[in-house]
Amino acid sequence: EVQLLDSGGDLVQSGGSLRLSCAASGFTFSSYAMSWVRQAPGKGLEWVSAISGSAASTHYADSVKGRFTISRDNSKNTLYLQMNSLRAEDTAIYYCAKASSGSYGWFDPWGQGTLVTVSS
Amino acid sequence: AIRVTQSPSSLSASVGDRVTITCRASQGVTNDLGWYQQKPGEAPKLLIYAASSLQSGVPSRFSGSGSATDFTLTISSLQPEDFATYYCLQYYNYPYTFGQGTKLEIK
Repeated sequence: EVQLLDSGGDLVQSGGSLRLSCAASGFTFSSYAMSWVRQAPGKGLEWVSAISGSAASTHYADSVKGRFTISRDNSKNTLYLQMNSLRAEDTAIYYCAKASSGSYGWFDPWGQGTLVTVSS
Repeated sequence: AIRVTQSPSSLSASVGDRVTITCRASQGVTNDLGWYQQKPGEAPKLLIYAASSLQSGVPSRFSGSGSATDFTLTISSLQPEDFATYYCLQYYNYPYTFGQGTKLEIK
């Protein structure tokens, strides 16, 4: 069974940093692109960042470009999101999601989410 | 970035009704569009991928259609467990974009 376990969410002050992790199991991790998607309280879904299976390519939403860095350790089957210069508007539940191929595609499944709260 | 406009933003319906939700992309995305269902406190769940392919395990009352810029999600006969929020996602190119969501409520 494919499983994704998000962790690392916390309460942090504006301007601070946080690293999220997503532990994957049940599939060949290095063969699939992965993404982070967030959802602010009471709001819709926002795609944040993606990384290819080989980690050769990364992509970011304009809202986080230059502040967030996505990475992966294929030997540990783990996806990361390093979040720097955090702002109040980054407050959200962050989900990791598995793409349908090594480079792009729809998301399935998703992790359970981890809550990031940025206090101003 | 491709904009995805989803409508309606909310919908009231009864058990047994047929409902349709639409997404329109600001430029062609071929069939690179998926549909998700989200219930409160849960992660989104994939219903439809590649515009019209039903995800394994999803009831056949859910169906998707469309290509290029115009897409629809149809629920043929609403069941109590279908009351949730629905989102479309274009994954044609980065940055990926979601529709604004449709909250389906019980009438």
